[in-house]
Amino acid sequence: AQKVTQAQTEISVVEKEDVTLDCVYETRDTTYYLFWYKQPPSGELVFLIRRNSFDEQNEISGRYSWNFQKSTSSFNFTITASQVVDSAVYFCALSDNTNAGKSTFGDGTTLTVKP
Amino acid sequence: DGGITQSPKYLFRKEGQNVTLSCEQNLNHDAMYWYRQDPGQGLRLIYYSQIVNDFQKGDIAEGYSVSREKKESFPLTVTSAQKNPTAFYLCASSIFGGGTYEQYFGPGTRLTVT
Repeated sequence: AQKVTQAQTEISVVEKEDVTLDCVYETRDTTYYLFWYKQPPSGELVFLIRRNSFDEQNEISGRYSWNFQKSTSSFNFTITASQVVDSAVYFCALSDNTNAGKSTFGDGTTLTVKP
Repeated sequence: DGGITQSPKYLFRKEGQNVTLSCEQNLNHDAMYWYRQDPGQGLRLIYYSQIVNDFQKGDIAEGYSVSREKKESFPLTVTSAQKNPTAFYLCASSIFGGGTYEQYFGPGTRLTVT
């Protein structure tokens, strides 16, 4: 069965601090896909990144970076030099071949960046 | 502008009434999804459709119904059988089903039933 755990319910940082959002997943499949989404106060989820299970290369996009480690079943997300506009709820999601294409979302981490 | 539209943004209904939430996409995506989000919680899948004229139940389908007669449209009906319908409803689409690709979300409909 699929499971995604985002243990950090809420995180609060001061602007310009670095922050890491944790995501731990469970799946029995060898082929699976991991995603991060951002939900700003407006409510609409925005796709940030997709990673497949065969690609453990870390990725950096501007102030965002992702660390995928199969050995620990983790797909963590780091924001460098956080800004107030980064305040949002961030969701990690997992899909695999045995679950008919459905994605399982974590409960989300609410990030508040204070000026 | 390509994207997903959901209407209305806010919807109020009396208990016992059925209500239909609209979801339209012009991204030419095959797959579409409906999620429910309650305060402080993650997304729970209600129904999904990987192709026109076909759809499957998600994790919380009871009290809901859908149709997929057109590729671009996936309306959700919240029936009077849904015991606790007040929630934020999000529609999404992806290029294909199967979970391989990311989902694109609409702005959501906030439904309040009193």
